[in-house]
Amino acid sequence: DTGVSQNPRHKITKRGQNVTFRCDPISEHNRLYWYRQTLGQGPEFLTYFQNEAQLEKSRLLSDRFSAERPKGSFSTLEIQRTEQGDSAMYLCASSREHYNEQFFGPGTRLTVL
Amino acid sequence: KQEVTQIPAALSVPEGENLVLNCSFTDSAIYNLQWFRQDPGKGLTSLLLIQSSQREQTSGRLNASLDKSSGRSTLYIAASQPGDSATYLCAVRKAGTALIFGKGTTLSVSS
Repeated sequence: DTGVSQNPRHKITKRGQNVTFRCDPISEHNRLYWYRQTLGQGPEFLTYFQNEAQLEKSRLLSDRFSAERPKGSFSTLEIQRTEQGDSAMYLCASSREHYNEQFFGPGTRLTVL
Repeated sequence: KQEVTQIPAALSVPEGENLVLNCSFTDSAIYNLQWFRQDPGKGLTSLLLIQSSQREQTSGRLNASLDKSSGRSTLYIAASQPGDSATYLCAVRKAGTALIFGKGTTLSVSS
């Protein structure tokens, strides 16, 4: 059990650029979740996968956001035409079953200039 | 809509004190509650998971209780140490997929 990993750990980009983040869940976990956390707040849910199927998306996930989990293993989160309001920590979590304990990765901190 | 509140927002204690962090939620129809620790600029570390049918869970110096009917959970930390300094987050799960988080309690333990 090597834990959830995320890359990159930090990303600085200019407004209007596209960025992509990667999450590798714990190997036997088929549930994968993306959250966003801004300073002083708790994480907020963005989207959820069961294997390769994206089962739920939050209203926070605008049309500029897209997430994939093509083979039911790693996942990517892409933000197109970034805005300053997208600056946040993007957290990935995984769990074995739906109502089991969620384990989080170290996060990707995005700064949009 | 489920809301999660954590009180206090910040807490400073001297090393060795026992302390209690509070978490309340507005909708008691939850499946489970999870406590996390977050160090500055880092991800979340899971501390304890309490299923809705359970009253408490213990791990080392940590004890978490759950009173679903009153919408409350507490995290008890015994004999606090400077290494316990972090932000502690509680999160509840209802029917559906998302964990709903509070804003956290930032704990500072001085030596």
